[in-house]
Amino acid sequence: SQQGEEDPQALSIQEGENATMNCSYKTSINNLQWYRQNSGRGLVHLILIRSNEREKHSGRLRVTLDTSKKSSSLLITASRAADTASYFCATAQGSNYKLTFGKGTLLTVNP
Amino acid sequence: EAGVVQSPRYKIIEKKQPVAFWCNPISGHNTLYWYLQNLGQGPELLIRYENEEAVDDSQLPKDRFSAERLKGVDSTLKIQPAELGDSAVYLCASSSGPETDTQYFGPGTRLTVL
Repeated sequence: SQQGEEDPQALSIQEGENATMNCSYKTSINNLQWYRQNSGRGLVHLILIRSNEREKHSGRLRVTLDTSKKSSSLLITASRAADTASYFCATAQGSNYKLTFGKGTLLTVNP
Repeated sequence: EAGVVQSPRYKIIEKKQPVAFWCNPISGHNTLYWYLQNLGQGPELLIRYENEEAVDDSQLPKDRFSAERLKGVDSTLKIQPAELGDSAVYLCASSSGPETDTQYFGPGTRLTVL
């Protein structure tokens, strides 16, 4: 079963706009990670936020985590056509930090 | 530094035939993972290795799937016999340890069973 659920399932924006994706999960986590997957390529790790952190930045990416609501958001600012991809949240749980992925959000950035 | 290497990239077989996928992890990474990704879904863990030991294979359908990681480096995932429902992308990933933050994924093998 999948732990994380992304919302929305699909998002279409214009280049230069910001994109926000959300992830909700069900059980306690060690950390939450966001991955990107381009068509025909493997998954690429974007950013990780630990359970005791609330916000993290990396370049044009901003991730927030609210453990009381069991939710996270990924904000991509000043989007580019090259940001077009599927974005997955993955929660790490248990003593072995097992990753469980959501179904992903398909982001389309129109030039 | 080379990333995770997988082969083949694509495989088309008839149902009931066997198939094998190969993965070479990043040098020095002791932890290796095999994931299954169905269309429109996120990856699901099949098996995790710590060196040559399979430490989590609870999601591996053992009636037809098998995996090995001899010498704790390369790994092979096998399906015998393949069924129509096995059509998916099989991803391999590696990390320097189970508690390490980042898993590095290979490009995957897209399997089509006819």
